[in-house]
Amino acid sequence: AQKVTQAQTEISVVEKEDVTLDCVYETRDTTYYLFWYKQPPSGELVFLIRRNSFDEQNEISGRYSWNFQKSTSSFNFTITASQVVDSAVYFCALSEAVTGNQFYFGTGTSLTVIP
Amino acid sequence: KAGVTQTPRYLIKTRGQQVTLSCSPISGHRSVSWYQQTPGQGLQFLFEYFSETQRNKGNFPGRFSGRQFSNSRSEMNVSTLELGDSALYLCASSSEGRQGLETQYFGPGTRLLVL
Repeated sequence: AQKVTQAQTEISVVEKEDVTLDCVYETRDTTYYLFWYKQPPSGELVFLIRRNSFDEQNEISGRYSWNFQKSTSSFNFTITASQVVDSAVYFCALSEAVTGNQFYFGTGTSLTVIP
Repeated sequence: KAGVTQTPRYLIKTRGQQVTLSCSPISGHRSVSWYQQTPGQGLQFLFEYFSETQRNKGNFPGRFSGRQFSNSRSEMNVSTLELGDSALYLCASSSEGRQGLETQYFGPGTRLLVL
């Protein structure tokens, strides 16, 4: 069965601290994609990154970095030098070739950056 | 390019009524998916339409239905509203519809309150 687990429900950090958001997934498909989305209070889900199951290279984009490890079925997201604007709910999601465009979302991690 | 648009943004209905929500995908996108977001159940997949055909369906009762028009715009309908249908309804679009292998871009959502 497909499943995405975000064990951290809420995280609070002080501005400029680094923070890592954890994501663990389960799938039987060999071809799948993992995503991170940001949901600010306005409600819209903002796409951050996509990684396919055949590409385990880590990625860095500005203050954001992602660590994908198939051996532990994890796709963690790190924000370096956090800022108040990073405060939002972050969702990890899984899609599989076999189940199509049905995204499986984790329960989200609410990040609060304190100035 | 304009993003995914949803109308209306807010809606208040009473139990037993029906409601229709509208979604316009990003220009050129042919796949439209709908999700329900509630505090208790999180983000759950409702259904996906591609080229006017329902291609995937989540685990929701038949009161939830949808359709897609030739211009890829989509509507979802909920009949006989229940209090538990109060939620944020999110629409997402993707381009070529390669199932499970594309990024979905989300709209701002429609907040439905059922009284």
